[in-house]
Amino acid sequence: IQMTQSPSSLSASVGDRVTITCRASQSISGHLNWYQQKPGKAPKLLVYATSSLQSGVPSRFSGSGSGTDFTLTISSLQPEDFATYYCQQSYSSILTFGGGTKVEIK
Amino acid sequence: EVQLVESGGGLVQPGGSLRLSCAASEFIFSNYEMNWVRQVPGKGLEWVAYISSSGSAIYYADSVKGRFTISRDNAKKSVYLQMNSLRVEDTAVFYCARDRNMILGMDVWGQGTTVTVSS
Repeated sequence: IQMTQSPSSLSASVGDRVTITCRASQSISGHLNWYQQKPGKAPKLLVYATSSLQSGVPSRFSGSGSGTDFTLTISSLQPEDFATYYCQQSYSSILTFGGGTKVEIK
Repeated sequence: EVQLVESGGGLVQPGGSLRLSCAASEFIFSNYEMNWVRQVPGKGLEWVAYISSSGSAIYYADSVKGRFTISRDNAKKSVYLQMNSLRVEDTAVFYCARDRNMILGMDVWGQGTTVTVSS
């Protein structure tokens, strides 16, 4: 299953609402997870099963979608949110990640 | 603190072998599935392999199937990745990551260990 993220990068300001899209090559039901990665660090799980927020993750992060189209939204971008975001499907036993979306400071 | 610590990375020649280890602490290791995920510097994440909590189910990415072997020792709270026939394109940071029923995301990650394949 191929996962395609868009955009591959974006520039935004603190306080902006940011939306990242992930599209699967076939239906993956709700088996979609989102990760955040900062330079030199391991990825961090943000959202699992499309819309469930991982413990400790701020409520400004939210996930939605179904079938093949999914979205990660940051309601009000904070300085610590500048990072690269990855989606990952867990519908197939062969797991796959999206190519990533780098969120940069405008 | 729940933690995963990888070791075993290093420099190896093309065609060579390397064995990575990942040691778990502060959680019941035998209850969790485990993955290996790699990342070429400056590139995205690539899932490599999965092993179920008992070791009875194992899956690999096509790019490593037949060359890499994932295993675990629940008594030692460790998961391993035996890498044979290494290629230059296997150069990456390798992370181990804890999974939850394979559908709830990888919620704990190690710090990564670097594998460099070069002559």
